Amino acid sequence: KAGVTQTPRYLIKTRGQQVTLSCSPISGHRSVSWYQQTPGQGLQFLFEYFSETQRNKGNFPGRFSGRQFSNSRSEMNVSTLELGDSALYLCASSLGPGQGRSAFFGQGTRLTVV
Amino acid sequence: KNEVEQSPQNLTAQEGEFITINCSYSVGISALHWLQQHPGGGIVSLFMLSSGKKKHGRLIATINIQEKHSSLHITASHPRDSAVYICAVWIIQGAQKLVFGQGTRLTINP
Repeated sequence: KAGVTQTPRYLIKTRGQQVTLSCSPISGHRSVSWYQQTPGQGLQFLFEYFSETQRNKGNFPGRFSGRQFSNSRSEMNVSTLELGDSALYLCASSLGPGQGRSAFFGQGTRLTVV
Repeated sequence: KNEVEQSPQNLTAQEGEFITINCSYSVGISALHWLQQHPGGGIVSLFMLSSGKKKHGRLIATINIQEKHSSLHITASHPRDSAVYICAVWIIQGAQKLVFGQGTRLTINP
């Protein structure tokens, strides 16, 4: 069974640009959640999608958005990039939403904003 | 104060030693995860606990809901166990959210 696939693995963007990251979950998994990891803040929960609906959201500004498609693939978008958005963005998939379902993580997308 | 606190932040041990990493939380939770992150960023979910104890190979995780505390134990530690171990909890406060500890960097020397 293929694991969680995130693309691209590495990305360099300029301040003010926008970026879209992609996450393909494990086949059969319908829940996708996104996380940001920085050296200063550690891992932080961004949002979770299940059946194309956002179910949970962390404390991030509206510049961070996401969506999920009918095939469960998810995209995360960050608009008007700031230097502080440089981070490792991880997604995880699970069979169902939240509440401690076993989650499988992708390798992450390392975003650098210059 | 962080909602999830891990200790120690850094731990260095010799191969074969018994390792304990602790996680304390201050809010009501529905479940707790232990995650392992190797250099390069890949994260593996080791355990998901809502009560009691789980064992997988040399890894054991326990949780005490009343005391709001969980421990991750590694028996017969090996250099390949060197990684950052992260505790994460699903918080039950309005909208559910996942909150992470700051991680414990474990180094096992041969």
